[in-house]
Amino acid sequence: EAGVTQFPSHSVIEKGQTVTLRCDPISGHDNLYWYRRVMGKEIKFLLHFVKESKQDESGMPNNRFLAERTGGTYSTLKVQPAELEDSGVYFCASSQELALAGYTFGSGTRLTVV
Amino acid sequence: SQQGEEDPQALSIQEGENATMNCSYKTSINNLQWYRQNSGRGLVHLILIRSNEREKHSGRLRVTLDTSKKSSSLLITASRAADTASYFCATRYAGGTSYGKLTFGQGTILTVHP
Repeated sequence: EAGVTQFPSHSVIEKGQTVTLRCDPISGHDNLYWYRRVMGKEIKFLLHFVKESKQDESGMPNNRFLAERTGGTYSTLKVQPAELEDSGVYFCASSQELALAGYTFGSGTRLTVV
Repeated sequence: SQQGEEDPQALSIQEGENATMNCSYKTSINNLQWYRQNSGRGLVHLILIRSNEREKHSGRLRVTLDTSKKSSSLLITASRAADTASYFCATRYAGGTSYGKLTFGQGTILTVHP
């Protein structure tokens, strides 16, 4: 089966600009997650979709971040306007059954805000 | 200290030796997972151990879980140069609406010298 696909793999934008990251989960996986790793810090949870609904968005840092998952398939994470501290690697993951298996992660999008 | 702390932060060994990494956490968990990340790549799920399990094996990997001490260890036996990567433990919380969220440790950087 195809894995979790993220694009772009890299993005360099200027402070104040908008960037949209995309994640295509494994087909049939109802659960989709966004995480990010800011330089030198641990990987942190951003939010969790179950199908098209936001189950948990407790990790979203502020209202400059907007995640959507229309139709319960792919998801986008928009940062608007981007700030310097948003730089980091954004990971997407998907899973089917929560309790029995680990999550499948994408390769991440490395975002650099200059 | 953070949920899912790991030690050591870095480990350097020779090929053929065993590598042991430890992880501590703070809250009650449903399961604990270990992931590997090769440089510039995504996270790869290695093994999951449930809160009612004490030990689990998968190939050259052995994971233990001590819920009374809120700690886990990952042992890689007969290490290979290809095992060089960062290793992360991640815990899934036992209850509440954040049931899908994983909390990651800072990771252990393992270097295996040929």
